[in-house]
Amino acid sequence: KAGVTQTPRYLIKTRGQQVTLSCSPISGHRSVSWYQQTPGQGLQFLFEYFSETQRNKGNFPGRFSGRQFSNSRSEMNVSTLELGDSALYLCASSKMPGQGADTQYFGPGTRLTVL
Amino acid sequence: DQQVKQNSPSLSVQEGRISILNCDYTNSMFDYFLWYKKYPAEGPTFLISISSIKDKNEDGRFTVFLNKSAKHLSLHIVPSQPGDSAVYFCAASDTGGFKTIFGAGTRLFVKA
Repeated sequence: KAGVTQTPRYLIKTRGQQVTLSCSPISGHRSVSWYQQTPGQGLQFLFEYFSETQRNKGNFPGRFSGRQFSNSRSEMNVSTLELGDSALYLCASSKMPGQGADTQYFGPGTRLTVL
Repeated sequence: DQQVKQNSPSLSVQEGRISILNCDYTNSMFDYFLWYKKYPAEGPTFLISISSIKDKNEDGRFTVFLNKSAKHLSLHIVPSQPGDSAVYFCAASDTGGFKTIFGAGTRLFVKA
């Protein structure tokens, strides 16, 4: 079956702009988590959605937001972009939340560059 | 506050030898630990895990060791192969929560 898909794969924006990233989970998976990967920081948890509800949130400013649709697809939005937001944004899906990270399947990520 | 630390950003090993990747954690509530492997332009993929009730878990060439008293775990790859060259992330979670904390990753180079 198809894996987790993320669009777009690459994105270049300038400071102050906003961006929306999309994630389509594996069919049948209802939980979607978002992570930010930067060199030296590893994967930083952003938030997790299940049944269109945010269940958990990491330590990121309010400029980072997300949502989940009834078909489990998820989007994350970053407003007022800063240079430090340049990173690889990874989406992971699982059937249910809280079952352990070994049940998560990651997408290839969206590489965001902020100039 | 990094609750999961991988202090070695990179590691270089000769093909056929053992690769040992280390990870330390600070939160004693963590009771489930995982290793992920990531190739460039791909998302991380789950490699192996260990529950806090065990001190060792083995899967083929990969073995994870857990030392709860030291809050330390390690991943051993024997023998190392060039295809093992990737970034390895250590991760930890607690069964009561819904959040997994990842380390910064260690880039492994296996030289032929």
